[in-house]
Amino acid sequence: AQSVTQLGSHVSVSEGALVLLRCNYSSSVPPYLFWYVQYPNQGLQLLLKYTSAATLVKGINGFEAEFKKSETSFHLTKPSAHMRDAAEYFCAVSDPNTDKLIFGTGTRLQVFP
Amino acid sequence: GAGVSQTPSNKVTEKGKYVELRCDPISGHTALYWYRQSLGQGPEFLIYFQGTGAADDSGLPNDRFFAVRPEGSVSTLKIQRTERGDSAVYLCASTLAGLPTDTQYFGPGTRLTVL
Repeated sequence: AQSVTQLGSHVSVSEGALVLLRCNYSSSVPPYLFWYVQYPNQGLQLLLKYTSAATLVKGINGFEAEFKKSETSFHLTKPSAHMRDAAEYFCAVSDPNTDKLIFGTGTRLQVFP
Repeated sequence: GAGVSQTPSNKVTEKGKYVELRCDPISGHTALYWYRQSLGQGPEFLIYFQGTGAADDSGLPNDRFFAVRPEGSVSTLKIQRTERGDSAVYLCASTLAGLPTDTQYFGPGTRLTVL
């Protein structure tokens, strides 16, 4: 069965600092992995996804993530945080049989000026 | 439409009542998903439609929950005899073909509060 674990329910950074949000997965088959962002009072929006092509995936708003099979990780990074990046971030894995998404518990990113 | 829409945006009901939540997917999307997001948690899968049929309803918590998609477009999630524990944000998503690599496009959700 597929699952994801997000370490750190809250992450705080200063504006301009590196953002690192952690996600580890468990999967019996090669996984498809996703990062979604949820701004206050808005729906989930896809940041990026890994579908077994390039292991370094670039997404919107300057975010990227690297698939590391040896570490079963898919951490999300951004070199320089902006105030507008403050939101909830969810890592998810796709179930290959039913295509449903299995989400982590989320990480709330706070950005301080 | 331009995106996935859900109505109502907020629903307050009393324990024991019946509620219906509606989802309008992106035009042409064949796959539709319902998720439930409780406070402080990630979304949890409820049911998945491919066309008119429910391809996977393994996430429905009990027989009080039911969903339909009679014409392969709009879907309605129905909850009978609501309980306080049903309070959550109910999210709908759609994809073009229902493939595991497809991007799921989410609606803004319906916040259900059961008093």
